[in-house]
This record gives sequence, C-alpha cells and structure tokens, in this order.
Amino acid sequence: DIVMTQSPDSLAVSLGDRATINCKSSQTVLYSSNKKNYLAWYQQKPGQPPKLLISWASTRESGVPDRFSGSGSGTDFTLTISNLQAEDVAIYFCQHYYTVPYAFGQGTKLEI
Amino acid sequence: EVQLVESGGGLVQAGGFLRLSCAASGFTFGSFWMSWVRHVPGKGLEWVANINEDGTANYFVDSVKGRFTISRDNAKNSLYLHLHSLRVEDTALYYCAKIGGQNDMNYPFDHWGQGTLVSVSS
Repeated sequence: DIVMTQSPDSLAVSLGDRATINCKSSQTVLYSSNKKNYLAWYQQKPGQPPKLLISWASTRESGVPDRFSGSGSGTDFTLTISNLQAEDVAIYFCQHYYTVPYAFGQGTKLEI
Repeated sequence: EVQLVESGGGLVQAGGFLRLSCAASGFTFGSFWMSWVRHVPGKGLEWVANINEDGTANYFVDSVKGRFTISRDNAKNSLYLHLHSLRVEDTALYYCAKIGGQNDMNYPFDHWGQGTLVSVSS
C-alpha cells in the first residue's frame, strides 16, 4: 500500500507571506502511460468537509484562487499558498488516487 | 449544484450494526463511482470503500473487509454503507464522497457530504 507523509505537521505564517507544504508518497503515483500524477490536495476548515483544491498534482479546481499552486512529480509534491489570507487557516491534506487503497497524508495545520 | 447528505450515524455498542445512507442530487448519480471516507477523531482521513457506477464492483480498506458492505440504488440516487461487527476503532465521522471522473475510479473526491457520526462504545 502507498503511504503518504506530509511535512510539517503544523505551520505558522504571517498574512501576505508564503506557505509551503510537502507531501511524499512511499511509491510513485506517476502513471507512466499518461504521464499524470494521481495526487490531490484538499483544504479542510473546522466543521466542514474537505474541499478539493488541486488534482493531478498541479491542476487547480474551478474557483480556487490562483495563490494556491501544486507542483512535483513521482513521489515528491508541494502545495504552495502565496500571499496568505486569513481565510486560508485550515488543515491541508494530500491524497493519492493511483490505486486502492487510496491514502491521505496526516494533514498540515496552517495557522496565521 | 451537487449535494450529498449522509444519515444513519449514531451510538452503538461494539459488535453492533449500523446502516449509513447518502442521498445524492445535482449530478447523474449512476455515472460515477462513489466512496465512503472517514475521519477518526484526533487522526486523519481514511478511505473506507468504493463502489462502481452500477454496484457490481467494490473495494474496501483492509481494516473493514468482511465487516462492512457498500451498496447503491441508482433509482433512488442513494449510496449505503452497512457496518457490521462494529469496533471501538470504527468511531469516526463518515463522509460520502463523489469520485470526480465519469466511469473511472482513479480521480479525486470532488464533492463531499457533511458527514454522519458513528460512535462505538466498548
């Protein structure tokens, strides 16, 4: 089974600054035939379900501000939040959907 | 607008049974794989089960195999999770989630319900 590990577990950043969250998979989630990384990022605020931010490692979902960006390939991925806003306070999860069992990272708590 | 509304959670003793339901609307339910994902208190998210578009294929995380079953009724736009032989460690908020790709399970979860809480006492 593929294990997802995020770092750091928590992160305190000032308004307007940049936050960087890392995610590492124990095996590649890059499918060689289509060159796609089966990696997503979610944002979860208190009392709410997770919200899909980024799919295929770097594709922003409709309506997600462009200050959110994803990068990486294979086993190492990064979520970058630029120009941090107060509403970005949340827990962020990475998830692979390469094969079952899907797995999530343990989450990174972002604070201002 | 896609909506997923879970119900059926509650407090049950270890060894007991619950049936969770998810009412879906706002999309062609019968064209998408669906999932259950749980959030264990103080821990993270765990994928539990998938079911394909017509209910003929399913997958489970190892920890629930043989105890949980997943089903769907496309005529009622509804997804179900049957939880048998419940354990204390099954205590969690259970989310119904839609897989984003049509007729393909290898897509992320693009919509989630609000969740239904399952509490298992010893």
